[in-house]
Amino acid sequence: NAGVTQTPKFQVLKTGQSMTLQCAQDMNHNSMYWYRQDPGMGLRLIYYSASEGTTDKGEVPNGYNVSRLNKREFSLRLESAAPSQTSVYFCASSGDIYEQYFGPGTRLTVT
Amino acid sequence: QKEVEQNSGPLSVPEGAIASLNCTYSDRGSQSFFWYRQYSGKSPELIMSIYSNGDKEDGRFTAQLNKASQYVSLLIRDSQPSDSATYLCAVNSGYSTLTFGKGTMLLVSP
Repeated sequence: NAGVTQTPKFQVLKTGQSMTLQCAQDMNHNSMYWYRQDPGMGLRLIYYSASEGTTDKGEVPNGYNVSRLNKREFSLRLESAAPSQTSVYFCASSGDIYEQYFGPGTRLTVT
Repeated sequence: QKEVEQNSGPLSVPEGAIASLNCTYSDRGSQSFFWYRQYSGKSPELIMSIYSNGDKEDGRFTAQLNKASQYVSLLIRDSQPSDSATYLCAVNSGYSTLTFGKGTMLLVSP
C-alpha cells in the first residue's frame, strides 16, 4: 500500500497563477484533509472532507477551494496564488478512530 | 477556541536518557490524543495514540494521559540521536478533525 500520495512534490508559481494539488489514499478512509505548515505557525487546517460528497472549511480556507473527487481523491486548488500562500502543504486521511496519516507534502513557492 | 499547548524547546537530552515531552489542551470534552514525530523536511508520522487515562507503552515510547488535569505526555526511554525531531501533540476536537500543537523540538546528543 502506498498510503497517502501527493503531487507535485515541489512547485514554483508566479503571483496570480493557478494550480491544483492532488492527493490520493489507498486505505479506504472516509475522511481527508488539507493542511499548510509554516515556520512558527504549526499545522493549520485548510479544508477537510469527512466523507465522500462533503467538504468543510477549516481554520484558514481563504484563497483555496477543494474537490472530493471520489473516496480516494481530494484536491486543493489555488485560483490566484499569492506570496502569502508560500508554504508546505500536507494531505492526510483518517478512518473511524481519528488517527490521521499524512502524505509526503508539497513545497509551494509563490513569487 | 480549542487550544493545544506545547513547549517549543529545544529539549536537549544525552543519548540513553529519558526524554519527557508534555502537552496541555483546553477542550475538556476531548476524547482522543495522538503523538506525531516530524523529521526536518518530512511529513508528520503517527507514533502513539491514547484514548483513556493512564499509560500506554509501545517499545521505547510511553504515552500518559490525565484527563482531569487536561494533560498528555510522551516519554522516550533510552533516547537515540535518531529520535531528534519535532514532536507534535494532537487532540480530537470533535467530528473528524484534530487540533495540533506547534510541536516540541527534541535534540538527542551522542
